[in-house]
Amino acid sequence: QLQLQESGPGLVKPSETLSLTCTVSGGSISSSSYYWDWIRQPPGKGLEWIGTIYYTGSTFYNPSLKSRVTISVDTSKNQFSLKLSSVTAADTAVYYCARHDSPSLYSNLGYWGQGSLVTVSS
Amino acid sequence: DIQMTQSPSSLSASVGDRVTITCRASQGISNYLAWFQQKPGKAPKSLIYATSSLQTGVPSKFSGSGSGTDFTLTISSLQPEDFATYYCQQYNSYPFTFGPGTKVDIK
Repeated sequence: QLQLQESGPGLVKPSETLSLTCTVSGGSISSSSYYWDWIRQPPGKGLEWIGTIYYTGSTFYNPSLKSRVTISVDTSKNQFSLKLSSVTAADTAVYYCARHDSPSLYSNLGYWGQGSLVTVSS
Repeated sequence: DIQMTQSPSSLSASVGDRVTITCRASQGISNYLAWFQQKPGKAPKSLIYATSSLQTGVPSKFSGSGSGTDFTLTISSLQPEDFATYYCQQYNSYPFTFGPGTKVDIK
């Protein structure tokens, strides 16, 4: 059974870079032709899609965050990662990693990690 | 970006009630519409994809319909475990966008 698990610091200082990793188990990132996404949810608010990466490394980002976001993949560790630079309090959120249901860019987010709360504060 | 709206933003219902939630896209998204259920402190759970296809393991009391810009999620007989927040999401074009959510609580 596919499982995704986010990990990373729970507290980041303003202006620094937020870094999270999603570790995939029960399936291989490199042997399957799926897209892997990051989504976030500020406390008490709705969901915001951040971006996606294919196992080859090609990416699509939300234009609202594009200048600050980098998503990368490490197939040797079966992980993909999120970096968000120059963070402010507005970036405080639960960050989720997810996988598409089928090998298509335009497919449903069927698998989600449990989420990782990142607080931006000095 | 495609804007997604949902109505109502919240509703109170009783066990056994039939509940309908509406989602509207700011432009046509064909059938690239998904519904998610989220309980407090938990990740969203996929319920329906491609407007009306039930995710594996999701009970048939959940159903979806619509096309183009207007979509609905129906819960045929609300049970205690169904009290949650429901989100629609379009995946017709990037950036993917979500509706603001509909909170379903106990009357």
